[in-house]
Amino acid sequence: DVVMTQSPLSLPVTLGQPASISCRSSQSLVYSDGNTYLNWFQQRPGQSPRRLIYKVSNRDSGVPDRFSGSGSGTDFTLKISRVEAEDVGVYYCMQGTHWPVTFGQGTKVEIK
Amino acid sequence: EVQLVESGGGLVQPGRSLRLSCTASGFTFGDYAMSWFRQAPGKGLEWVGFIRSKAYGGTTEYAASVKGRFTISRDDSKSIAYLQMNSLKTEDTAVYYCTRGVAAAGWGQGTLVTVSS
Repeated sequence: DVVMTQSPLSLPVTLGQPASISCRSSQSLVYSDGNTYLNWFQQRPGQSPRRLIYKVSNRDSGVPDRFSGSGSGTDFTLKISRVEAEDVGVYYCMQGTHWPVTFGQGTKVEIK
Repeated sequence: EVQLVESGGGLVQPGRSLRLSCTASGFTFGDYAMSWFRQAPGKGLEWVGFIRSKAYGGTTEYAASVKGRFTISRDDSKSIAYLQMNSLKTEDTAVYYCTRGVAAAGWGQGTLVTVSS
């Protein structure tokens, strides 16, 4: 199975400051069709997960533009340009290139 | 807008069965694959399985932890995906979510399954 490793696992941030989460995969996530199936999800406290980013860098509808995804191959990053209070929660990366689909451990974002 | 509503969860004894339903709206259900995920209490997300659309054979894939015990099916006429769970174990206790596609665009509120004697 592809192992997804996120860091850090806990991220205290100051309101208005940037935040960055790393996600590394144990093998390349480039599929035979040329796409890279790496997604990012946000799970606010007590809520269902919500997809933020698909295929590395594509923002879902309604996702604020302060969220951005980047990376390639085995190394990916989710960035929040200016953290707001509503961004508190756990963030997961997920790969859908290889069976089985696997997730990172999750990064808990909290306000300092 | 994609809407997914899971139902059928509850308390069940180890070794028993349960069937979950996922009722979809806001998109042409038959055109899409459907996935099931779960989240054990206080834990991270885990993929359970996936069913392709009929156009791609309607075939299924499962996580090793549930293969042979869980079965995913679909009724395109009703826009419902099912998760049949047999031989349940205490470690299957989780909130179960369905999503559209493997890329998991759109999640329901989930349904809690508790496996306990």
